[in-house]
Amino acid sequence: SQQGEEDPQALSIQEGENATMNCSYKTSINNLQWYRQNSGRGLVHLILIRSNEREKHSGRLRVTLDTSKKSSSLLITASRAADTASYFCATAIQGAQKLVFGQGTRLTINP
Amino acid sequence: DAGVIQSPRHEVTEMGQEVTLRCKPISGHDYLFWYRQTMMRGLELLIYFNNNVPIDDSGMPEDRFSAKMPNASFSTLKIQPSEPRDSAVYFCASSSRLRTGGRETQYFGPGTRLLVL
Repeated sequence: SQQGEEDPQALSIQEGENATMNCSYKTSINNLQWYRQNSGRGLVHLILIRSNEREKHSGRLRVTLDTSKKSSSLLITASRAADTASYFCATAIQGAQKLVFGQGTRLTINP
Repeated sequence: DAGVIQSPRHEVTEMGQEVTLRCKPISGHDYLFWYRQTMMRGLELLIYFNNNVPIDDSGMPEDRFSAKMPNASFSTLKIQPSEPRDSAVYFCASSSRLRTGGRETQYFGPGTRLLVL
């Protein structure tokens, strides 16, 4: 099964509201990353949080990591229509060079 | 930087035909990854290279799939013969161990949308 599992699978909110997506994983990690995918496009890296970090900010993005619970959350504040996309968490597993992606959360921001 | 370049962007072929997908990674990146994305299975890593050498091909579904990286600026993913279940979007991504962001951050191409009839 996937290393990263996102929750919810789909989320629809009004513009201006905050959006929270969660990711759970199973094995020890070096870091966890979040990517965005607009329809018909490739994935774009948003933010990386290392295993010894608990919280990280980048603009309207806030990522938390709880290694004891093997979970992470991505918060997008003051959402905009342009934030409509699928969001994926990806884990870099200790001892491996590759990323394992979750199934993604499809976020829709309604104007 | 031009980003990761993939060609073709769309490919429609008939079952049994050979399909070749191409990728040009970002200059200076030493890792290259091939992924396949479908609604049912999500994003799957097929194979990745480091300094042009295949490191992990455990995700390659069958012997019908093969990948090469003859030099640092070019890679191919070949399917021969193709089958309808190979229909998917195929992404190439690259990363660098030395550049800002570290080796784990991957830069994706726009993908090749493959339809096998």
